[in-house]
Parts: sequence; C-alpha cells; structure tokens
Amino acid sequence: DIQMTQSPSSLSASVGDRVTITCQASQDISNYLNWYQQKPGKAPKLLIYDASNLETGVPSRFSGSGSGTDFTFTISSLQPEDIATYYCQQYDNLPPTFGQGTKLEIK
Amino acid sequence: EVQLVESGGGLVKPGGSLRLSCAASGFTFSSYSMNWVRQAPGKGLEWVSSISSSSSYIYYADSVKGRFTISRDNAKNSLYLQMNSLRAEDTAVYYCARHIAAAGIYWFDPWGQGTLVTVSS
Repeated sequence: DIQMTQSPSSLSASVGDRVTITCQASQDISNYLNWYQQKPGKAPKLLIYDASNLETGVPSRFSGSGSGTDFTFTISSLQPEDIATYYCQQYDNLPPTFGQGTKLEIK
Repeated sequence: EVQLVESGGGLVKPGGSLRLSCAASGFTFSSYSMNWVRQAPGKGLEWVSSISSSSSYIYYADSVKGRFTISRDNAKNSLYLQMNSLRAEDTAVYYCARHIAAAGIYWFDPWGQGTLVTVSS
C-alpha cells in the first residue's frame, strides 16, 4: 500500500495567517491526490481533487499543488470557519489511502 | 440535493454481525460506484470497500477481506455493508461516499453523515 505522510500533525495559527500543510507519498503518484476537510463531528468534505483543482463552491483561499511524491495544501488567509482536520488521499493505486490528518486550530 | 444517509450501526459483541445501509437520493445512483470508508474514534480515515455501478467490480481493504461484503440494490438506491466476525478494531464511524470519476481521476463526494459501529463485550 502507498503510505501518505502529512505534516505537521497539528497546527495553530492566527486568523489571516497563511497556512501550509504538506503530504508526502511513499512512491510516485503523479497528480492522483485529493484533499478533504473534516470539521468536528462532521463527515469529510472534498476541497481539492487531482492535486490542484478546486472543487466547485470551495473558497479560493484554498489551493493545492505538487506532483510525484510531494504535495502542498495552502490556506492563503485563515478564517475561523477553517478550523478542521485536513486529510490528503492518494488514488494512484488500490487501496486508496489517506494521510494521518492535520488538525488546524486557531491561535 | 445529493444526499447519503447511513443506518444500521450499533453495539455488537466480538464475533457478531451487523449490516449497514446507505440510502442515496438526489442523483442517479445506478450510474456511480460507491465506497465505504471508516474512522476509528479519534483516528484518521481508512477506506474499507468499493463497488462499481453494476456490481461488476468489488474491492476490499485487506483488513476486512473475507469478513465484510459490500453490495447494492440500484432499484432501491441503496448501498450495503454486511459485516461478519466483527472485532474490537472494527469499532468506527462508517461513512458511505459516492465515487466521482472522470478521465482517470477520481474522488469521494459527497459523504454521508456516518453510522457508529461499536464492537465490545
């Protein structure tokens, strides 16, 4: 199975800050990477698919980049409603696997 | 509105069985592959199983292979997960998720609200 490693595991930032999360795959997965947001007690929600494509309706402050084994997820200006855990997910090979998550908190 | 609603979770003893259901609405269910993904308490996401639109292709995580069976009834717009020989480590919230695929890329969207399965004596 392809291992997905996210960093950091948790992050505390202030409103308005630029926030960056990284995700590293254990092997080349091309662009086959998605990002999900999970708010407390809620189901995950798709934010970005195919590494850099913003899902319809998702605010433009969210973005993704990368290819191969190294990927980045960025929130350009953190808002209070962005408090959540963020997961990357690869779909290059079965089984699809997720990173361990990055819990984002407001400082 | 596209909606997925899971049901069937509960408390079951180790070795027991449970059948989860996922009712779909707001889209043409028979046109989409579907998935089950689980999340142990306080833990991350783990893909469990997927089934193609016509049930021709079925896949399982190694952790559940031989114990869980995914199925669907397109006439009833419903997805199922039959879970047998349950273990404590199967304790989790189980989500159903629609599989969106286009030109070789895919993602899970949307997800249901989840149903909690607790395996304990």
